[in-house]
Amino acid sequence: DQQVKQNSPSLSVQEGRISILNCDYTNSMFDYFLWYKKYPAEGPTFLISISSIKDKNEDGRFTVFLNKSAKHLSLHIVPSQPGDSAVYFCAARAGNQFYFGTGTSLTVIP
Amino acid sequence: EAGVAQSPRYKIIEKRQSVAFWCNPISGHATLYWYQQILGQGPKLLIQFQNNGVVDDSQLPKDRFSAERLKGVDSTLKIQPAKLEDSAVYLCASRYSGRITGELFFGEGSRLTVL
Repeated sequence: DQQVKQNSPSLSVQEGRISILNCDYTNSMFDYFLWYKKYPAEGPTFLISISSIKDKNEDGRFTVFLNKSAKHLSLHIVPSQPGDSAVYFCAARAGNQFYFGTGTSLTVIP
Repeated sequence: EAGVAQSPRYKIIEKRQSVAFWCNPISGHATLYWYQQILGQGPKLLIQFQNNGVVDDSQLPKDRFSAERLKGVDSTLKIQPAKLEDSAVYLCASRYSGRITGELFFGEGSRLTVL
């Protein structure tokens, strides 16, 4: 049973524009949500997180929004840069357990 | 600070052979995880350790997979005998429970190809 879902396998965006990556979840017990970025042949690296008691967290060009009633979160990247091209994984935490989505491959076109 | 170390980076074996992967977590991280990532999918938890004890191994195929973390530091994941469907990247991650966010730190992964 997939508790964290990323329904868009891929996304292409022009450099300088906004990238919006989406994630849905089913478990109301998740207390933290995280985004990871993965380049080919490397392990995932932590990007940004948000507590379940918040609705927005911002870090430079990256902002994560949480809509608990819809069980939905999104990652906004503004402005998008070619170096942002990677696979982005959404993850949710319940206690010590982490559940990952299937990833969205972002391509930023110069 | 040094990151999570994993070896080997790549391994090619034939089905029914055995393979072992090694992981050394970030110093001071008590929690260690092994994930399996099949191409096109997200990481799937195989086993979680807290110090040298197993917290969760409910998704570990115990007939062929085993893992240990004897001294509560580094860990080994073994597959014996390997099947074709075990072809995947095996990711090790560690976590410092003292941080409120407590995010996972991943190694670069060990890519296994079973022929």
